[in-house]
Amino acid sequence: EVQLVQSGAEVKKPGESLKISCKGSGYSFTSYWIGWLRQMPGKGLELMGIIYPGDFDTKYTPSFEGQVTISADTIIKTAFLQWSSLKASDTAMYYCARLDGGIIAPIDYWGQGTLVTVSS
Amino acid sequence: DIQMTQSPSSLSASTGDRVTITCRASQGIGDDLGWYQQKPGKAPKRLIYAASNLQSGVSSRFSGRGSGTEFTLTINSLQPEDFATYYCLQYNTYPHTFGQGTSLEIK
Repeated sequence: EVQLVQSGAEVKKPGESLKISCKGSGYSFTSYWIGWLRQMPGKGLELMGIIYPGDFDTKYTPSFEGQVTISADTIIKTAFLQWSSLKASDTAMYYCARLDGGIIAPIDYWGQGTLVTVSS
Repeated sequence: DIQMTQSPSSLSASTGDRVTITCRASQGIGDDLGWYQQKPGKAPKRLIYAASNLQSGVSSRFSGRGSGTEFTLTINSLQPEDFATYYCLQYNTYPHTFGQGTSLEIK
């Protein structure tokens, strides 16, 4: 059974750093693109970027380029999303998700989400 | 980026009704479109892929149609568990983009 299990909720202060994770199981982790998505409170879904763990090819949506870093560790089958300096506007639910096939493929499986709250 | 315009943004309906949600793409995307259901506090769930293919395990009350720039999701005989928010997703061109969502509420 394909599963994506994300790390737990985080409460941080502005300016702090953060790295959240998404562990894949039940499939070949290196053979599928993994994406990170943001859902701000009461709002819709936005794709932030994607990574292909097979060769670490990473693509960012322009509005998120330079704001976050996406990485992966194939030994522990885990993808990461990190911030070096959080802002209050980063408060949101973050989902990881698998692309079903190549880069031109729909999302099929989702993590359960990680709620990030940034407040002074 | 390809813009996805979803309508309506909200919809009130009763159990047993049939409803249709529309997504329009700013340029042609073939049939590279999916539909997702999201319930409060939960991750989205895939309903339809490739515009009209029903995800395994999803009720046949859900159906998708369209190609190019106009797509629809139809839900027949609404059940209580169908009241949720629905999103379309185009994956023809990176970055993948979502419609704004349709909140389906009980009348």
